[in-house]
Amino acid sequence: DIQMTQSPSSLSASVGDRVTITCRASQGISNYLAWFQQKPGKAPKSLIYAASSLQSGVPSKFSGSGSGTDFTLTISSLQPEDFATYYCQQYNSYPFTFGQGTRLEIK
Amino acid sequence: EVQLVQSGAEVKKPGESLKISCKGSGYSFTSYWIGWVRQMPGKGLEWMGIIYPGDSDTRYSPSFQGQVTISADKSISTAYLQWSSLKASDTAMYYCARFGGGKRRNPIDYWGQGTLVTVSS
Repeated sequence: DIQMTQSPSSLSASVGDRVTITCRASQGISNYLAWFQQKPGKAPKSLIYAASSLQSGVPSKFSGSGSGTDFTLTISSLQPEDFATYYCQQYNSYPFTFGQGTRLEIK
Repeated sequence: EVQLVQSGAEVKKPGESLKISCKGSGYSFTSYWIGWVRQMPGKGLEWMGIIYPGDSDTRYSPSFQGQVTISADKSISTAYLQWSSLKASDTAMYYCARFGGGKRRNPIDYWGQGTLVTVSS
């Protein structure tokens, strides 16, 4: 299985900040990388696919980059509704593994 | 509008069987993979497996192979996740998710609302 490692595991930030979350794959996955947002008690929401493409309806404050083994999710100008847990997932090969999650908290 | 609507919460005893469902609407059900994702209490997301309803091609995570069965009934646009003998450790929220169209590698684009399964004696 491909292991996906996110860093940091948790992150405190203030409204208006710009934050970056990193996701590293244990082997190359080209750009078959997706990002998801999950708020407490809710289903995950798809944000980004193919490492850098926004899902329909996702605001441009979210951006992704990377290829191969190293990827980033950047959120600009944090708003209260952005504080949530973020997951990456590779869909290059089965099983389509997730990272362990990054919890973004209000400072 | 694409929707995935899952069956309601379940409370079961260890050793009992269970089948939960995920009904797709607003798209061609047979042309998109549907997968299942487990989230244990307070934990992260775990990919369980996936089925292509068009031809019933099914793939499992090694962690879940033999523990659950994934199936689909394309006549009613519904995917299923089934256990033959539940354990307390199966207590979790289970999400279904749609993957992009066709049989190539595709990301998740839509999620169901989740089904909470509680297994307790």
